[in-house]
Amino acid sequence: NAGVTQTPKFQVLKTGQSMTLQCAQDMNHEYMSWYRQDPGMGLRLIHYSVGAGITDQGEVPNGYNVSRSTTEDFPLRLLSAAPSQTSVYFCASSYSRSNQPQHFGDGTRLSIL
Amino acid sequence: GDSVTQMEGPVTLSEEAFLTINCTYTATGYPSLFWYVQYPGEGLQLLLKATKADDKGSNKGFEATYRKETTSFHLEKGSVQVSDSAVYFCALTVGGSQGNLIFGKGTKLSVKP
Repeated sequence: NAGVTQTPKFQVLKTGQSMTLQCAQDMNHEYMSWYRQDPGMGLRLIHYSVGAGITDQGEVPNGYNVSRSTTEDFPLRLLSAAPSQTSVYFCASSYSRSNQPQHFGDGTRLSIL
Repeated sequence: GDSVTQMEGPVTLSEEAFLTINCTYTATGYPSLFWYVQYPGEGLQLLLKATKADDKGSNKGFEATYRKETTSFHLEKGSVQVSDSAVYFCALTVGGSQGNLIFGKGTKLSVKP
């Protein structure tokens, strides 16, 4: 049982480049979410999805785009990377938004130069 | 808005010492409360939870009691081990139309042998 799988684990980008962080879960969870973790800031919600075809913004959505074409996958796109997006990104899932707990992936450490 | 405040770290203890990490919250409605733990290089894992006032969550020797009168959910352990070294996050979710997790900033615990 793989749980929540994030790829890549590490990535270095140049300012202005775009990339997609992948997230997949094999637990048939309806709810998926993306967080960023910054020192002294805890985890902040970027975007979330309550099911295939449905996405919504979280606390810090600017500069990020998401889509949910299948129940399993929830990719996060950086459209034009900026140094302020240097962070550790976590994907999480649960059966529903109100049915916690969430299961977290191991994270993607992203550096923007 | 809803928020979580937890004691700032880092916290350094000797093995077998007593641990308390304070957590207080502000929420509209009746939140569910959680403690998540993040071991080095890993994603977050649920440690314990409580869904209503006076509930006590417990796991792996850790305990926390949902105190509505003081809006608190302090984490305690009677005798810490080196393997408990990690970052601990207090979090809440309010059901209904909300339901997304809101995290505190995290408290880093280091346990010395």
